[in-house]
Amino acid sequence: AQSVAQPEDQVNVAEGNPLTVKCTYSVSGNPYLFWYVQYPNRGLQFLLKYITGDNLVKGSYGFEAEFNKSQTSFHLKKPSALVSDSALYFCAVSPGGAGSYQLTFGKGTKLSVIP
Amino acid sequence: SQTIHQWPATLVQPVGSPLSLECTVEGTSNPNLYWYRQAAGRGLQLLFYSVGIGQISSEVPQNLSASRPQDRQFILSSKKLLLSDSGFYLCAWSAGQEVNEQYFGPGTRLTVT
Repeated sequence: AQSVAQPEDQVNVAEGNPLTVKCTYSVSGNPYLFWYVQYPNRGLQFLLKYITGDNLVKGSYGFEAEFNKSQTSFHLKKPSALVSDSALYFCAVSPGGAGSYQLTFGKGTKLSVIP
Repeated sequence: SQTIHQWPATLVQPVGSPLSLECTVEGTSNPNLYWYRQAAGRGLQLLFYSVGIGQISSEVPQNLSASRPQDRQFILSSKKLLLSDSGFYLCAWSAGQEVNEQYFGPGTRLTVT
């Protein structure tokens, strides 16, 4: 069975500084990886995904993520954090393939960007 | 473009009462549909998913059930609510027969008293 670990419950970063939200995964075969963001009392919003190809994936709102197969990681990054980036971030994984619809989500990391 | 609706947005129900939460998707056909529960603003637990009308897969044995009476309608139900059913319920959809990103509705906050 697949699993996702987000080792930090909370990440604090100053506005304008680069941010990283960490994610490691365990899955059989080639992983399909996703990042989502959730604002308070709202549904999750899709940010970006990795399926194949370039290890650096660019997504919405200036976010990007780097797939590292040897370290089984898929860390979310942004060069310059905004206060409006403060939210809950979820990493998700699937083993992929036909008929594999489900995503396994991490527990989430709360990002606080300090003005 | 596709949109996903959930209602109600909030619900307060007494223990032992029935439950019906509805989710509808617009702008796509034959979506895969999902119900999740999120407790305490954190991790998501997949409850049910459906790949077609009348096809429901349950992930966790529980007090809840799901139905898909129409292609773009997904309903979460309970005959008798428990205190432990309180939480934030999210509906989501995805396209195709392989893994794709899921798009989430705005959620329903359920409080069982």
